[in-house]
Amino acid sequence: QQQVKQSPQSLIVQKGGISIINCAYENTAFDYFPWYQQFPGKGPALLIAIRPDVSEKKEGRFTISFNKSAKQFSLHIMDSQPGDSATYFCAARVGSDDMRFGAGTRLTVKP
Amino acid sequence: GAVVSQHPSWVICKSGTSVKIECRSLDFQATTMFWYRQFPKQSLMLMATSNEGSKATYEQGVEKDKFLINHASLTLSTLTVTSAHPEDSSFYICSARDPELYEQYFGPGTRLTVT
Repeated sequence: QQQVKQSPQSLIVQKGGISIINCAYENTAFDYFPWYQQFPGKGPALLIAIRPDVSEKKEGRFTISFNKSAKQFSLHIMDSQPGDSATYFCAARVGSDDMRFGAGTRLTVKP
Repeated sequence: GAVVSQHPSWVICKSGTSVKIECRSLDFQATTMFWYRQFPKQSLMLMATSNEGSKATYEQGVEKDKFLINHASLTLSTLTVTSAHPEDSSFYICSARDPELYEQYFGPGTRLTVT
């Protein structure tokens, strides 16, 4: 059961462009929304995370936008670079429960 | 962030044999660790939650007798794939949860190939 729906499945962006990945959820009890970055053959690494009491969080070129009423959150990668090419997973969690992951988005940044 | 290691990083075994994968939290004590399975170009599928000193909790559809999990210490959890078959070939990833921040830190994964 996919508790977090992620789109698009794949994304191609030119170097310097903005990459946008979207996620939607149904469970309003979710209270923690992280994004993970995974390179081929490696485990996921935490990129940035947000809690529902804020609408936006920015860390360097990475920004999470959170819309509680729409039950959606998105990852924006500004000035995308070829080194950002990876698979990105959104996730959500209730309290100390296990993380529920989206299906993933394969991002390719063309030089 | 915190470091979680996995060993081995890749393993090839013959059908019918058993394989043990270790997951260690290197700089914090993890009362809870998770084991995931990931198929190519797919998301992470939670297999089981491992709690130190108690039996693991398996997700629906995961054979507990096939995927044995032991969490004997606060820094080590092991996954043993028993009587492995080619369909068990996959990328196995563990994560350890920081007990103070509840953040999950992932290991680098183990590529299992069963021939």
